[in-house]
Amino acid sequence: KAGVTQTPRYLIKTRGQQVTLSCSPISGHRSVSWYQQTPGQGLQFLFEYFSETQRNKGNFPGRFSGRQFSNSRSEMNVSTLELGDSALYLCASSQGIWDEQYFGPGTRLTVT
Amino acid sequence: GQQLNQSPQSMFIQEGEDVSMNCTSSSIFNTWLWYKQDPGEGPVLLIALYKAGELTSNGRLTAQFGITRKDSFLNISASIPSDVGIYFCAGQHEETSGSRLTFGEGTQLTVNP
Repeated sequence: KAGVTQTPRYLIKTRGQQVTLSCSPISGHRSVSWYQQTPGQGLQFLFEYFSETQRNKGNFPGRFSGRQFSNSRSEMNVSTLELGDSALYLCASSQGIWDEQYFGPGTRLTVT
Repeated sequence: GQQLNQSPQSMFIQEGEDVSMNCTSSSIFNTWLWYKQDPGEGPVLLIALYKAGELTSNGRLTAQFGITRKDSFLNISASIPSDVGIYFCAGQHEETSGSRLTFGEGTQLTVNP
């Protein structure tokens, strides 16, 4: 069974631009969570989706948003990028809401 | 955001040695997980613990869910070079934070052959 896939793997954007990251969960998994990883703050929870509904949201500004499609694939969007948004963005999928979360390889976003 | 206190921050050991690391929290959790992350990759799930006092093994790895529900331990026996990486603990508490994982700061493990 294929693991969690994330595209693109690397991205370079300029301040003020917006970006969309994509995540395809493990087949059969219906829950998708997003995390931001930075050297200073570590791994921080962004949001979680289940059955196309956002169930949980972390403490991030409204510039960070996401959605989930009927096939469980998920996207996250960051608008008006800031230098501090440079990070590894990780997607994790689980079969159900309370099941173990399996991570993808991440998207490395660099904002210049 | 809230993070778990994970220690040590880094470890330098010789191949064949045993390793121990732990996480503590001021809050209780009802699930503890341990992940390993290699450079440029996402965290890989090693062990999941669901019950206070539970002791679970996965090959050379053994993890325990602390009886107070505020801590967890990971032991690696007879370390090998491929054990190199960053190890993270993560806690989950459905009632207070839903399914979100709260992560420790990580333990960077270096194994000298």
